[in-house]
Amino acid sequence: EADIYQTPRYLVIGTGKKITLECSQTMGHDKMYWYQQDPGMELHLIHYSYGVNSTEKGDLSSESTVSRIRTEHFPLTLESARPSHTSQYLCASSDPSGTGRSPLHFGNGTRLTVT
Amino acid sequence: QKEVEQNSGPLSVPEGAIASLNCTYSDRGSQSFFWYRQYSGKSPELIMFIYSNGDKEDGRFTAQLNKASQYVSLLIRDSQPSDSATYLCAVIDSSASKIIFGSGTRLSIRP
Repeated sequence: EADIYQTPRYLVIGTGKKITLECSQTMGHDKMYWYQQDPGMELHLIHYSYGVNSTEKGDLSSESTVSRIRTEHFPLTLESARPSHTSQYLCASSDPSGTGRSPLHFGNGTRLTVT
Repeated sequence: QKEVEQNSGPLSVPEGAIASLNCTYSDRGSQSFFWYRQYSGKSPELIMFIYSNGDKEDGRFTAQLNKASQYVSLLIRDSQPSDSATYLCAVIDSSASKIIFGSGTRLSIRP
């Protein structure tokens, strides 16, 4: 059973605020990912990390930033939230030791609404 | 051409029937294949994985992989209303460095 946690579960915030979405996993996975998904739409990879001090931008351009100072923690930050950032944000992790066979395990997601 | 393609649906299947979901992929060297189920407003949940050609069965679910034709499918037998969800196909590419998701197929099981 995957143990990956996201907080908060829901967030409503005003335009211009700085926010950080938290993601932690207790499995010791090196690979971690952030996806953005609008209702009924496909997943879009916005950031990923292959280990401590490694972060990369994903396929979808995003104004968010990420950091990976500890293996278990991969927070996502928006410096100035806008209504266009309203979406669901999903964090995931995988174990690279499976040599290309490891699936992603997802957290429960954070549903962000920017007013 | 998308790297992983799925019919977006919705696919409507009567309760008790077999639901068949298909996925094609473009990278011939892809190694690993996964099916996720996603209920509305929830995160994706892994339900099946398959690595070798042929069929793999788990309860009411059967995954089928044909690497020569570059497709992977998911069969759901004895479909239940609780199977109504979006099903995402995911593929790890030949470099083993990237997992690519399809856009998902919406499945609706009608009573």
